[in-house]
Amino acid sequence: GDSVTQMEGPVTLSEEAFLTINCTYTATGYPSLFWYVQYPGEGLQLLLKATKADDKGSNKGFEATYRKETTSFHLEKGSVQVSDSAVYFCALRIGGGKLIFGQGTELSVKP
Amino acid sequence: DADVTQTPRNRITKTGKRIMLECSQTKGHDRMYWYRQDPGLGLRLIYYSFDVKDINKGEISDGYSVSRQAQAKFSLSLESAIPNQTALYFCATSEGGDYGYTFGSGTRLTVV
Repeated sequence: GDSVTQMEGPVTLSEEAFLTINCTYTATGYPSLFWYVQYPGEGLQLLLKATKADDKGSNKGFEATYRKETTSFHLEKGSVQVSDSAVYFCALRIGGGKLIFGQGTELSVKP
Repeated sequence: DADVTQTPRNRITKTGKRIMLECSQTKGHDRMYWYRQDPGLGLRLIYYSFDVKDINKGEISDGYSVSRQAQAKFSLSLESAIPNQTALYFCATSEGGDYGYTFGSGTRLTVV
């Protein structure tokens, strides 16, 4: 069935370090792909999305490229800040608009 | 006011009790969803509704029921709570397509 797999956390980085959070998926057809972010004590917020192969989603310095050949949608940011500390979820949209989420990756950025 | 409001924010209940979690939205979206979040498991879909007359089971609906009272209101009930239903519960809405979801702030439920 359709599924999303993310790299395990927690990921701990120093401020201004480069961030990569890996996400791979299994799906029939051509899903749309999303990254959501959850700050402590809050609900999930849409961070970025890509709807077809080779699309690049970007927002707040984060980027992810839809790679059909490797079924991946890795999240990257060139220079993280303490305020980026959160849990990040990769998700895919299947038929009927339902989202399937990965298990989440916790990011902790130290000053 | 928040676009998606969940009540209560926190709840502790005893095994065997009936409990209702409520969700209301001001987005005007037809589609509403209930998810539960468990550490290491991400979010799993419990129930979803595409309009007032349309209710569908998600991947983990056993032990839960829902009611769509209006376009803006979607409630989740645990008829007889058990400890493994201890989790963080999220309601979400969407307008469909690739617009993404709008989430509430969650209800932290503890069953003792």
